[in-house]
Parts: sequence; C-alpha cells; structure tokens
Amino acid sequence: DGGITQSPKYLFRKEGQNVTLSCEQNLNHDAMYWYRQDPGQGLRLIYYSQIVNDFQKGDIAEGYSVSREKKESFPLTVTSAQKNPTAFYLCASSTGQGDGYTFGSGTRLTVV
Amino acid sequence: AQTVTQSQPEMSVQEAETVTLSCTYDTSESDYYLFWYKQPPSRQMILVIRQEAYKQQNATENRFSVNFQKAAKSFSLKISDSQLGDAAMYFCAYRRGRTSGTYKYIFGTGTRLKVLA
Repeated sequence: DGGITQSPKYLFRKEGQNVTLSCEQNLNHDAMYWYRQDPGQGLRLIYYSQIVNDFQKGDIAEGYSVSREKKESFPLTVTSAQKNPTAFYLCASSTGQGDGYTFGSGTRLTVV
Repeated sequence: AQTVTQSQPEMSVQEAETVTLSCTYDTSESDYYLFWYKQPPSRQMILVIRQEAYKQQNATENRFSVNFQKAAKSFSLKISDSQLGDAAMYFCAYRRGRTSGTYKYIFGTGTRLKVLA
C-alpha cells in the first residue's frame, strides 16, 4: 500500500547534537512538507519542497535544514542552533493538485 | 497573506447529537481549497473533508458536512450523530488554487472536540 513513513517514532537528543528525522513516501507525490506541533497548538511550517532538488523555508526554518535529493525522501535535520527542539514533528506529502495532504504518523523529539 | 482562524479552542457534544465547528479565513483570491483535518489522540492526521472554492455545493462525507459561505469567508464543519470516536483535535486548512504555483497549506490553531457519553 502507498503511504508516507516517518522514523523514528520517538527520538531523544542531547544538548548540542544534530539529529535527523526521516520521511519517505511511495505515493509519487511531488510535494513534501515538514511541520512542527507544540502541545495544544496548531501546525507550523518548517520547510517544504515542491520538486526534487528545490525547497523553501516555511515560517519557522531557523535551526532546521532539509534536503530533497530524491522524490521519495525529505529528511529534516534539527541542528544545535534550534534552541527549543522538543516537539512533535509531522511530515506530509501532496500531489499539488489540491486533493489534500497525506501525513506521516509523526516523530516525537525530546531534548534530554 | 492568507490566514485561517478557529475561534473555538474547545467544544463539547453529547453522543448522538450534532456539533458545528467554526473556521474563518482571509484571502483576496477566488480560487482556493479548504480542508478539515482530524487529529485523534494517536496524533495521526486524517483528512475529513475537502471543498473547492469554485464549487457552490457544500461538501459532505457521511456524517460530516460543511457550510461554505464564500462571501463571508466562513467554512464550518458539522458533525451529525456524534460518536465517541469523533473526539479529536480538528484543524481547518487553506490552500491557494492550482494556478498559484504554491502547494503549501495554512492551518488554523485547532478546536478540541470532546464527545460526552
């Protein structure tokens, strides 16, 4: 079955470390997105990519980096420059035709 | 810039009753899409319903329907015969039309729906 897979489900990061969250889709979707969700809050856009080898900053890109070398993959790196990384991270993909996002199941990142 | 506002942080409904969640948005465009997403305690986001702005007919999906008022920029979600499984966070979202060249969605802050047995 086609879908979008995020891994790991839970991730712990020490202060000063970079960590990478994985997002893979086999839906042949052109566009992929990363959102951050804090407790009791909505979704804030970190980065998005509409085609391979191209991506744009969202509303809260500082302290994060991404790459889009393959259509299927859009990994997110949370760098040490991100001062408050503890949050729930959601990856999504879409065709670009307005038929809605497909979301992954999320990664819960905690700084220890 | 486009914005999406959900003014009800939390709502409650008795099982089997009907509840309406509000969403307003601000845009100067005529071609766009609107969505309602559900996020249950598992945190998996699920698409509930979708509306294309150029379609006057309100979208329906089983017990879920919308009241789309384009002139008022309002997009409310009605849940009929509420079930315990409907308890979740509900997000309203906006996307510009296909010719805009941008695919990103703008989300509201969400409404937490509690269903009382």
